[in-house]
Parts: sequence; C-alpha cells; structure tokens
Amino acid sequence: DGGITQSPKYLFRKEGQNVTLSCEQNLNHDAMYWYRQDPGQGLRLIYYSQIVNDFQKGDIAEGYSVSREKKESFPLTVTSAQKNPTAFYLCASSIEWDTGELFFGEGSRLTVL
Amino acid sequence: GQSLEQPSEVTAVEGAIVQINCTYQTSGFYGLSWYQQHDGGAPTFLSYNALDGLEETGRFSSFLSRSDSYGYLLLQELQMKDSASYFCAVSPNSGYALNFGKGTSLLVTP
Repeated sequence: DGGITQSPKYLFRKEGQNVTLSCEQNLNHDAMYWYRQDPGQGLRLIYYSQIVNDFQKGDIAEGYSVSREKKESFPLTVTSAQKNPTAFYLCASSIEWDTGELFFGEGSRLTVL
Repeated sequence: GQSLEQPSEVTAVEGAIVQINCTYQTSGFYGLSWYQQHDGGAPTFLSYNALDGLEETGRFSSFLSRSDSYGYLLLQELQMKDSASYFCAVSPNSGYALNFGKGTSLLVTP
C-alpha cells in the first residue's frame, strides 16, 4: 500500500540531545513537508521541499534541520537549539506543488524530559 | 501573509447539519482546503475549492467566496464518528506551502 511512514511514533529525549525523525513516502510525490502541532493548535510549517536536493524554511524553522537527498525521504532533525521541542510532528507529501491536497503520515510524538 | 479564523468549538446533535466557518485575510491564494483530524491521528483531506461556489463530496460540502474572504465546511447527517477537529487551509500563490487555521473541534452528541 502506498503511503507515508513516520518513525518513531513516540520518542523521549533528554534536554540537550539532538533527535532525528524519519519520514518515508512511496507515493512518488515531489513535494514533502514537516509540520508541528501543539495541543489545541493548528499545524505550523517547519520546512518544506518541492524537489530533491532543495528545501525551504517555514514559519518556525529555528532549531530544526532537514535534508532531501532522495525523493522518498525527508528526515527532520530536532536540535538542542529548539527551545520547546515537545510536540506532535507531522510529515506530509503532495503530488505537485500547488495543490490543496496533502497526504499525512501518522505523526511522531516527541517528549523532552 | 495569511491569517485564518475558525470557531474553536462546535457542538451538534447526531443526524443534524453543522456548518464550520473559515474567514481569512490573505494577499492571494490558489484555493481553500479542509482537513479532518481525529484525536492523536493524522489529518486527512476532505475537500478543496479552487473556484468560488459549492463543492459536494458525499455528506460533506465546502463553499468558497473570494469576494467575502470566507469559506465553510458543511457536514450533513452527522454521525458520532464525525467528532473530530476540522482545519481550513489556504494554498498561497506566493510559492509557499499550505497554511492552516487553528482548527474547530466538533463534538457530535446523541
């Protein structure tokens, strides 16, 4: 089945540690995205990528980094510079850039202890 | 930039019809989308309005009026499983990614 796979589903981290969240898609989509969701809040854009080897900062990119070396993969690293990293992280993809339809993974819930 | 406003909570009775509004302030956009998200789950796409007017998909319909900077999602024949959060989102024509509102929590009661 085609879809987006995020891992791990739950992750605990100590302050000061970097952590990488995996996002893999087999939908052959060009565009991929990372959003952050806090309780009772909407989705806020962290980074997005329209094509391989290219990515752009979103509204809240500080303390995060990404790479897009393969079309299928768009990992997100939450660095120690991110002051409040505890959140629900959602990866998404879309078949092309200017579409209103995103396909989301099941999310990764990061808790900093 | 874009700013989208939605009611934070809506309650409706099973079998009824409910409308969730979305007003926006944006300099320009391709279209308005709607997503559903159950607690702890992934958002799922419901509908997209590129043009003004009504789009119907089964029990769900979505409406857009660019002149009024307004859209809504209409849910008919409400079922208990419709209890979820609903987000409107705009596709800006500035080459940026989808921008989401804060969401409306819908509670369907028996």
